[in-house]
Amino acid sequence: DVKVTQSSRYLVKRTGEKVFLECVQDMDHENMFWYRQDPGLGLRLIYFSYDVKMKEKGDIPEGYSVSREKKERFSLILESASTNQTSMYLCASRPGLAQETQYFGPGTRLLVL
Amino acid sequence: GEDVEQSLFLSVREGDSSVINCTYTDSSSTYLYWYKQEPGAGLQLLTYIFSNMDMKQDQRLTVLLNKKDKHLSLRIADTQTGDSAIYFCAEEDSSYKLIFGSGTRLLVRP
Repeated sequence: DVKVTQSSRYLVKRTGEKVFLECVQDMDHENMFWYRQDPGLGLRLIYFSYDVKMKEKGDIPEGYSVSREKKERFSLILESASTNQTSMYLCASRPGLAQETQYFGPGTRLLVL
Repeated sequence: GEDVEQSLFLSVREGDSSVINCTYTDSSSTYLYWYKQEPGAGLQLLTYIFSNMDMKQDQRLTVLLNKKDKHLSLRIADTQTGDSAIYFCAEEDSSYKLIFGSGTRLLVRP
């Protein structure tokens, strides 16, 4: 079974703090994605990565950065957390082949005070 | 840009059929997906349909695709209380990115 894990299920941070959200997959997938999920807005893509050290902006990259130093790990970084970044963050991975789907982690619910 | 739309809420009685509808705008989408999200959990792939198909059946699930109208639906037969969840429709663009709808919350009443 494909397994995508996220470092925390719940996280509480203060405005201005630097926040790291970690995602690890164990299936040697090339592609990894970070989304945020907000009520009524569905999932919106923040950043994605096609391979190690590669990254591409998604639809809402502002206020975020990412790091992919190893194939299995994709980190989302909030350089200076703000209250409007309170959200559910979902990581996904996908093999780099056609006719495949994305596999999701359980999500990290982040509250920024 | 691409857009995917769904109604926000559906309530059905246990044992009835549920139909969740979705419209999308990108006519070049190769695959269209339905994901299920239970409370506090991530997204679980339910089923998908390739764009050259118009129907796919998988046990209690039936997916219908009308490419002309860019309309996708998910029918759940004999809906159970365990089917209560949020259902997301998504289309995949040419660079493997998924564009999600806002999700339909399905409530199954006993």
